[in-house]
Order: sequence, then C-alpha cells, then structure tokens
Amino acid sequence: DAGVIQSPRHEVTEMGQEVTLRCKPISGHNSLFWYRQTMMRGLELLIYFNNNVPIDDSGMPEDRFSAKMPNASFSTLKIQPSEPRDSAVYFCASSSGGPGEKLFFGSGTQLSVL
Amino acid sequence: GDSVTQMEGPVTLSEEAFLTINCTYTATGYPSLFWYVQYPGEGLQLLLKATKADDKGSNKGFEATYRKETTSFHLEKGSVQVSDSAVYFCALSEGNTPLVFGKGTRLSVIA
Repeated sequence: DAGVIQSPRHEVTEMGQEVTLRCKPISGHNSLFWYRQTMMRGLELLIYFNNNVPIDDSGMPEDRFSAKMPNASFSTLKIQPSEPRDSAVYFCASSSGGPGEKLFFGSGTQLSVL
Repeated sequence: GDSVTQMEGPVTLSEEAFLTINCTYTATGYPSLFWYVQYPGEGLQLLLKATKADDKGSNKGFEATYRKETTSFHLEKGSVQVSDSAVYFCALSEGNTPLVFGKGTRLSVIA
C-alpha cells in the first residue's frame, strides 16, 4: 500500500490567496483526520471524518478554513483567504477503526503564507 | 478535557546512552496511551501503545509502562543510536475520541 498521500509537499503563497491541500487516505480506512503542526502549539486536530461524514470540526480555527470529503478516497482542506499565521505543516492521517485507533500519517504539506 | 504533558526538549544524548522521556496525562476515564515518532521530513508513525494499567508497550528497543497511579507513560530505551534522532510524541485516546497529542520532545543522538 502506498500509505496516506498528501499534496503538495510544499506550498508558498501570498496572504489573501486561496490554498487547497489534498489527501488520499489508505484504501479501506474509514476515518480521516486533518492536523496542524506548529512550534508554538504542537499538533492540533482540526477536523475528522468517519465514513466521509465530518464528526468533529471544533478544531477548525475559523471560517476561513473548510474541509470536505466527497468520497472515501479523497479529502481537501481549504483556506480562503490565507494569512501568515496559517503557516504550518498540515498532516492528514487515516485509520481503519474508530478515532482512537492507530493513525497512519501522510508526509505533510509545509505551508508558508507570505 | 484530556491532556498530555511531555518533558520539553531538546534532549541531546551520546550514542549508547540511556533515554527517558517523561509523559504524564490527565483524563477522566481509562485512556489508551501511545508513543508516536516523527523522523525528519516525515509524518508521525506509531512506536508503541498500551491500553490498560500496568501494560508495557515495546518496539525497536523502546518501552513504556502504563502507570495509572502516577498517570504516567514514560518512554525509555537502554541504548540509543544516532538513527533514533527524531521527535517523540506521547498521546492518549479515551473512549471513541481522537488522539490528543503532547507537544513533542526532540531527541538528538550524537556519535
């Protein structure tokens, strides 16, 4: 299996631009998670889906952030408009059981907003 | 809510030294406990886990014991290698809730 695939690996954009991060979970996994990693806050859960349905989006910082999972093999995290404080590494992870089960992480997207 | 506290890094050790990374947790019930490791440029991967009190998780020479009385899950390794240099995250999950991670501890092992 190829594991969790995220794209792009790196994204540099200017403040105010729309950013879309993409994730392909491991085939057969029914839970998908978006995390954000920064030096100050560590690893924060933004949102998670179970069977393509958003279960908990309480970690989404504000309305500028949105996430979708149109099918079992694809999810997006969108930031519009982006701001410099959104600069971070964004990880997607998937699991085959409930939300407390072993997570498989992608390699992350390093986002820099100038 | 549930939380995890890890010792702050960075931790710098010589090869073959003994490693301890402290982790304590706060939870209302009986969580499962995990250690994840993140190598440079990669996502996190599960290192070991324990699901009930007094369980010991182990993998690749690393060990951690679930201590309910001290609400701790300290990570240990008897002899570290340069290849162990990474960031280590302690995490918990209670019931059907997503993992809650500590802030991570960076380990650097020098030859």
